[in-house]
Amino acid sequence: QKEVEQNSGPLSVPEGAIASLNCTYSDRGSQSFFWYRQYSGKSPELIMFIYSNGDKEDGRFTAQLNKASQYVSLLIRDSQPSDSATYLCAVIDTGGFKTIFGAGTRLFVKA
Amino acid sequence: GAVVSQHPSRVICKSGTSVKIECRSLDFQATTMFWYRQFPKQSLMLMATSNEGSKATYEQGVEKDKFLINHASLTLSTLTVTSAHPEDSSFYICSAPTGDNSPLHFGNGTRLTVT
Repeated sequence: QKEVEQNSGPLSVPEGAIASLNCTYSDRGSQSFFWYRQYSGKSPELIMFIYSNGDKEDGRFTAQLNKASQYVSLLIRDSQPSDSATYLCAVIDTGGFKTIFGAGTRLFVKA
Repeated sequence: GAVVSQHPSRVICKSGTSVKIECRSLDFQATTMFWYRQFPKQSLMLMATSNEGSKATYEQGVEKDKFLINHASLTLSTLTVTSAHPEDSSFYICSAPTGDNSPLHFGNGTRLTVT
């Protein structure tokens, strides 16, 4: 069974700190990796995608991918209370068709 | 771009009735759409994969006769919850990718309450 594992949290960080969210996946053939943010009562929204090993930065967000370790992470710099949400790690399986979601990590940013 | 519209956003119905939820891709063609269900404080659960012009593929444990899916065009998929019961009350979300290995674009979800 293909799986995506995340620490459910909650992860609590003070405003202005760096929040680090981690994810591991089981399908070694996966090529596409995503981070979605879901506010309570809302549907998920895409915040980052990464396809190659290394870092990808977009504003305050940095996604990191290590395919050898089957590990994906998301760093949020200068965390704001508005970043408080559940962050879902998602991986597309080897076939390139089905998205597998982790259970999500709840992040709380304290003002 | 890549907008998915879902209606209604909220519906309350009586036990035993049926409810139809529509999911439209507004600016791209979606040969495949995915339907999810999410209970409070739980993770997304994939219910089924909707395929344009063919039968939907249901995940294990999801009753296909209860959750009817129709994907008659490249921009519209519908989910009908038949003979709804209070335990069907949940947040239903549709999504669609723009292609293989691409991210999912989600509708805003439908909050169903069955009384």
